[in-house]
Amino acid sequence: AQSVTQLDSQVPVFEEAPVELRCNYSSSVSVYLFWYVQYPNQGLQLLLKYLSGSTLVKGINGFEAEFNKSQTSFHLRKPSVHISDTAEYFCAVTEGATSGTYKYIFGTGTRLKVLA
Amino acid sequence: DVKVTQSSRYLVKRTGEKVFLECVQDMDHENMFWYRQDPGLGLRLIYFSYDVKMKEKGDIPEGYSVSREKKERFSLILESASTNQTSMYLCASSPALGSGPYQETQYFGPGTRLLVL
Repeated sequence: AQSVTQLDSQVPVFEEAPVELRCNYSSSVSVYLFWYVQYPNQGLQLLLKYLSGSTLVKGINGFEAEFNKSQTSFHLRKPSVHISDTAEYFCAVTEGATSGTYKYIFGTGTRLKVLA
Repeated sequence: DVKVTQSSRYLVKRTGEKVFLECVQDMDHENMFWYRQDPGLGLRLIYFSYDVKMKEKGDIPEGYSVSREKKERFSLILESASTNQTSMYLCASSPALGSGPYQETQYFGPGTRLLVL
């Protein structure tokens, strides 16, 4: 069965510093991988996704992630964070479509706190 | 832009009450989902629907039911609310398989924070 692990529940970082949020997954088949962001009091919005092709994926707001099949990881990075990046970040995986749709398994989330 | 709306942002109910959470999407999506979000547990799928009147259980369906009478609307029902159902509830929708490059992307509403006393 597939699963997603986000080992860091909270990550504090100073403004303009780089950040990496870690995500590891477990699956016996090929997967699609996603990062979603949830700003305070809002729903989730898609940051980026990996379906196939280039293992380096670029998303919105300057974020990028690298798919590493051998390490079963999909870590999210940003070279220089802003106060406005303070949010909760969720990694998600799907093994493919069943019952006509893609069902996600979400990680437990990482709270990114950007400090001035 | 895809818009997913949820009927209430905050809701306070009493134990034993029947609770309806409504979700509406305006992008003609085939698929709709209900999740609950709890600290330290992330998002867990309660139910999803891949067509009108069609539904499937997710990972934690106990104590919940759903209804999808129209394509744009997906309701979550707590038949008899309990305190352990206090949570944030998120609705999402996604396009049909084969519909194009966004078929695997889910679009989320703002959430309903439910408190059961």
